[in-house]
Amino acid sequence: DADVTQTPRNRITKTGKRIMLECSQTKGHDRMYWYRQDPGLGLRLIYYSFDVKDINKGEISDGYSVSRQAQAKFSLSLESAIPNQTALYFCATSGDSNEQYFGPGTRLTVT
Amino acid sequence: QKEVEQNSGPLSVPEGAIASLNCTYSDRGSQSFFWYRQYSGKSPELIMFIYSNGDKEDGRFTAQLNKASQYVSLLIRDSQPSDSATYLCAVGYSTLTFGKGTMLLVSP
Repeated sequence: DADVTQTPRNRITKTGKRIMLECSQTKGHDRMYWYRQDPGLGLRLIYYSFDVKDINKGEISDGYSVSRQAQAKFSLSLESAIPNQTALYFCATSGDSNEQYFGPGTRLTVT
Repeated sequence: QKEVEQNSGPLSVPEGAIASLNCTYSDRGSQSFFWYRQYSGKSPELIMFIYSNGDKEDGRFTAQLNKASQYVSLLIRDSQPSDSATYLCAVGYSTLTFGKGTMLLVSP
């Protein structure tokens, strides 16, 4: 079984809808991250959490929120989706050494 | 603004050759340096990490770090067509900043 899983893997939604992307990990890592990847822009950090009670904004947090429900679970929400949030979203986890391991990604399309 | 710069490529090499991928970074406080491989439509996969100046070898891969020049490189020896992918450099301390990646094409 995969160490880092993301659901859904693909999602098409309409402008203005609320959507949640979920991430679970079995690696036992404390640190979890959400990134988005856009062609030509690379991977950009949205939010990160170093433990269950810790939430930090990344480079591009506007329009997003997160919830760390447990050590193994970290969810990303788009409160009111807009077309420029169409992207490939990745969850990642790491231990203290900062070696990050990525989930398979969620391809989100906002129409 | 922390920046990580990579040549976007594509870098084309014949099978069996050495591929050399380069990366420069702006934050002198960076302490950890990583190389990820990403196939089209897939997630980044960690292939090498290095924390100290010098070389680190793992199989066909060698990572090189020069903190004074703020430069990281990845050498791939005996390149194979299956090495064709985008290679991402990542640099940081508590969080990582990723470069936009270099596309490598290995021709049979």
